[in-house]
Amino acid sequence: DADVTQTPRNRITKTGKRIMLECSQTKGHDRMYWYRQDPGLGLRLIYYSFDVKDINKGEISDGYSVSRQAQAKFSLSLESAIPNQTALYFCATSDRTGLNEQFFGPGTRLTVL
Amino acid sequence: QQQVKQSPQSLIVQKGGIPIINCAYENTAFDYFPWYQQFPGKGPALLIAIRPDVSEKKEGRFTISFNKSAKQFSLHIMDSQPGDSATYFCAASSYGGTSYGKLTFGQGTILTVHP
Repeated sequence: DADVTQTPRNRITKTGKRIMLECSQTKGHDRMYWYRQDPGLGLRLIYYSFDVKDINKGEISDGYSVSRQAQAKFSLSLESAIPNQTALYFCATSDRTGLNEQFFGPGTRLTVL
Repeated sequence: QQQVKQSPQSLIVQKGGIPIINCAYENTAFDYFPWYQQFPGKGPALLIAIRPDVSEKKEGRFTISFNKSAKQFSLHIMDSQPGDSATYFCAASSYGGTSYGKLTFGQGTILTVHP
């Protein structure tokens, strides 16, 4: 059962292209996050949203933008992709209550040539 | 800046060994410390978490040890198995303030358990 889905799972693109990564969730969570994973750097927060009208920058937001189209959907855009944005991207969700466990999607592997 | 530092970057043990992964944090406002486990091709998933009101928490073969004064915490895996081979991330968050709901992750440790 895929509570958090990401599309596409793999993408190869060229420098300068605009790319959109999409995330959908069926967990009914208010909070959604976008991370990138790089070897040796762990998971770094790009943007997060605590509800539909809330968008916040994370620690590495430059070169990225997001859109929260609905409670269940959170998209990440690379306006003009560059090679150092080659990484594994994860979407995650969490409830507003409880211990803030985050539930991650399966990831999107993005390669920028 | 890296507010949570994790070591080692990689770790190899034999089956039955006790791998230990260490994390140190800087922000004294952090009061929630989870560990996430990630298998190849999958997203991370919560493994175990601790609040600073206790010094140790056990769940099955996994134990978190927490040292508030040193601002350090560690994951111990007892009787490790090949199926424990994965990448492990420590993280930290706070229940209140502007950091509420945001996890800061360590750099990750790739654990390999040989049969």
